[in-house]
Order: sequence, then structure tokens, then C-alpha cells
Amino acid sequence: GAGVSQSPRYKVTKRGQDVALRCDPISGHVSLYWYRQALGQGPEFLTYFNYEAQQDKSGLPNDRFSAERPEGSISTLTIQRTEQRDSAMYRCASSFGLANPPYEQYFGPGTRLTVT
Amino acid sequence: AQSVTQLDSQVPVFEEAPVELRCNYSSSVSVYLFWYVQYPNQGLQLLLKYLSGSTLVKGINGFEAEFNKSQTSFHLRKPSVHISDTAEYFCAVGVQGAQKLVFGQGTRLTINP
Repeated sequence: GAGVSQSPRYKVTKRGQDVALRCDPISGHVSLYWYRQALGQGPEFLTYFNYEAQQDKSGLPNDRFSAERPEGSISTLTIQRTEQRDSAMYRCASSFGLANPPYEQYFGPGTRLTVT
Repeated sequence: AQSVTQLDSQVPVFEEAPVELRCNYSSSVSVYLFWYVQYPNQGLQLLLKYLSGSTLVKGINGFEAEFNKSQTSFHLRKPSVHISDTAEYFCAVGVQGAQKLVFGQGTRLTINP
């Protein structure tokens, strides 16, 4: 079946503009995660949802970053008033359920954001 | 808080040679451990995971890893690498009660013919 999809794959924006990054998880997956990956680094956790509820947003760097998942499926990560330091690969992942130990997280291809 | 250290940023090896990619973690609670692989222009793919039980874990593509609690390590190994194993490899840790993963910095594996 289809994997996690993200759009756009590449986004170039000017400093000060707002951007919205979209994630479409695997159908039926309960949990959805956002990570940010700087060049030469591993993914860094931003936030995650179970269904439509945002469970942990401790990784969001500041209040310019927000995320939503209103119907428990597609999610949008929004960055307001972008800055050059926001340039990175933004990765979305989804997993099947809420079990402990955790289910495998399936990652999308990412959105490469460049702020000029 | 948890952290993961991948001791080598790059590992070059010859084709058909064995390889070990090192990963150490720190955590004050029980952990779950993962290795992900990222091929060029693709998303991360799970190679293997340790949740509990046997400390030797086998994954896809002939990779295996051993969980060593006393040394807080989870090194990834393959007895004979192929050109197609060229990729970046990430070690990650999760903890009970938290769904997020903490990743290491990654190790770029380069296979030379």
C-alpha cells in the first residue's frame, strides 16, 4: 500500500514568509510524528499526535512553529515568519498504534525547506 | 533525558568486508533501540529493533545488532557488505511511556569496490 507522503518535496521561501508543510500518513495509522533534520545530523523530534490530539510538542523550537491534525489523518506543520535557521529537512512519520513498546515508525521522504 | 552517540561519522569499507557501526546511548530508564537506514533521496527505513528478550537482534539485508546493557551500546554489524549498502545509518532510542525517538547523528557507510 501507499507509504507516508509529504508535500511539497522542496520549498524555497523568503525570510519572513509563512510556510505550511503537509503530511499524509499511512491509512489507519493512529500516531503521527514530525521531526526536523539539519544537514549532517539525525532527525530531531518536534511534536506528535495520537489521533487528532497533540500529545507532545516539547520539541517545537518556538511559538512560530505549530502543527495540527484536525481529523486524525493529514497533518500540517506551519512555520510563521520563517528565518534562515529554519532551513532543514522536515520529516513526518506515522505508526500503527499506541502500544508500549512502541510500534515501528514509518517515515516519509521529507520536505526540504530553504529560507533565503 | 536520553541521548545517542554514533561514534563514527563516516565508515569506508571494501565490498565483501565486514563492518561495525557503533552506537552508544544514555538513559536512566529502560530503553528500546532502533537502527534506521536512509538511502539517497529516500525516507528512513527500519533495519532492526530491540524491544526486549534476546540481546542479539537480526534485521533486514543481513544486518544484526547486539544490545549490551552494561556498556550501553547497540552496535550494528554485517559480516559482508555489498555496494547497495551504501547509505546513512541512524541509531535511535525510545523509552517506555514516550512515543518519540531520539536519534544519533548518523554514520555514512561508503562501500568501495
